[in-house]
Order: sequence, then structure tokens, then C-alpha cells
Amino acid sequence: DAKTTQPNSMESNEEEPVHLPCNHSTISGTDYIHWYRQLPSQGPEYVIHGLTSNVNNRMASLAIAEDRKSSTLILHRATLRDAAVYYCIVQRSGGSNYKLTFGKGTLLTVNP
Amino acid sequence: DGGITQSPKYLFRKEGQNVTLSCEQNLNHDAMYWYRQDPGQGLRLIYYSQIVNDFQKGDIAEGYSVSREKKESFPLTVTSAQKNPTAFYLCASRSDRLPNEKLFFGSGTQLSVL
Repeated sequence: DAKTTQPNSMESNEEEPVHLPCNHSTISGTDYIHWYRQLPSQGPEYVIHGLTSNVNNRMASLAIAEDRKSSTLILHRATLRDAAVYYCIVQRSGGSNYKLTFGKGTLLTVNP
Repeated sequence: DGGITQSPKYLFRKEGQNVTLSCEQNLNHDAMYWYRQDPGQGLRLIYYSQIVNDFQKGDIAEGYSVSREKKESFPLTVTSAQKNPTAFYLCASRSDRLPNEKLFFGSGTQLSVL
């Protein structure tokens, strides 16, 4: 499995941008980087994913380092509803792509 | 609406008892997963299944069993051999048409020991 490393927690103020980092130094060339978030007492929900290029959607942006060993999830203007645990995982392509493992994620606190 | 349904939402287990958690999906996904989450912790993979009648152990399979007799269903049995079963259990599914397909999660089952 491609392991990921994230900070245990981060704090932000409402309306400010948030940059959530993730290291995945053992990533392979065809592995995808996915981000999920989990609100309290709920199942995780998909946020964004990417392969090599930076990606944007209505929820967030994903910046992927040129060597692909790290990535950053960007919330452009944090709101109180963005307070959650954010998980970065690597999804392998090919025959072993079914085993999907999560780390502990980053607990994001948003201050009003 | 398409999605994943987990039941029950809350479940209580007596000592020495086996309990089964239900997970049903109508997304026509081939791959299904069970995760365990302890308070303040991340998700740990218990079992996963790529296709009907086939499943693989995850990282913490001891004390658990699964079956995959139908594409839509992937029930998890917590056996009496699991000595610390109190946790939040999450089921997920994913299409395997493309390697970047995302996971869809159910709303979870909270299991507690009486």
C-alpha cells in the first residue's frame, strides 16, 4: 500500500483559506490521490481526486507536487461547515487497486 | 435514490454473542468494503470484496467474518472472538470501471457491548 502522512490537526479562521498537506512518498506513477472528509457521526464523503495536474471543483482545489510525493487540499474560504476530519488516500491502478486504506486524517477546526 | 444503506444505526451485543451488520447498495458497484473506526481514530480496513463470492482480509480481520452472495449485499458478522467490538462500523462501495473511481460510504453502525 502507498502510505500517507498527514498532520493530526489544523486550525483555521472562518472565511480564510486552508491548506491541508499530505505526504505520499511511495506513490507509483499511475496511482491516484483522493481526498475525503468526514463530518461528526457520519460516513466520509468524497472531496476531490487527481493524478498529476492540479484540480478544481466546487468543494476544493487539489495541488499536486511535481514529483507527486505530496499534495495539498485547498479550501479557499473556510466555513464552519468545513470542520471535519480530512483523509488523503492513494488509490492504486491495476490489479491491486481494491485494497483502500485510510490513515488517521487531519482534524480541521474552524474558528468563527 | 441510489446509495448505500447500513442497518441498524445502533446495535448492542452481549458477551459471547455474534451480531451481523447489514450493508446494501443499489449503485451496481462490484467492490465493497468494511471499515472500523474507534473514537478519535481513522478508518481501519476489516474486509473487502472485489466481486460476488470473493472477499479478502483487510488489516484487522480477526474476529470478523463476511459473505458476498449477492452483488448488492455485503454483511459483516462480529463474532464472539472479537474481544473489543465497540466501534463505529462503516461500509463503502466503489465501481471498478476506472482506476480513479471514488468510494461511497454508508452512514455507519455504532456497535456497543452490554
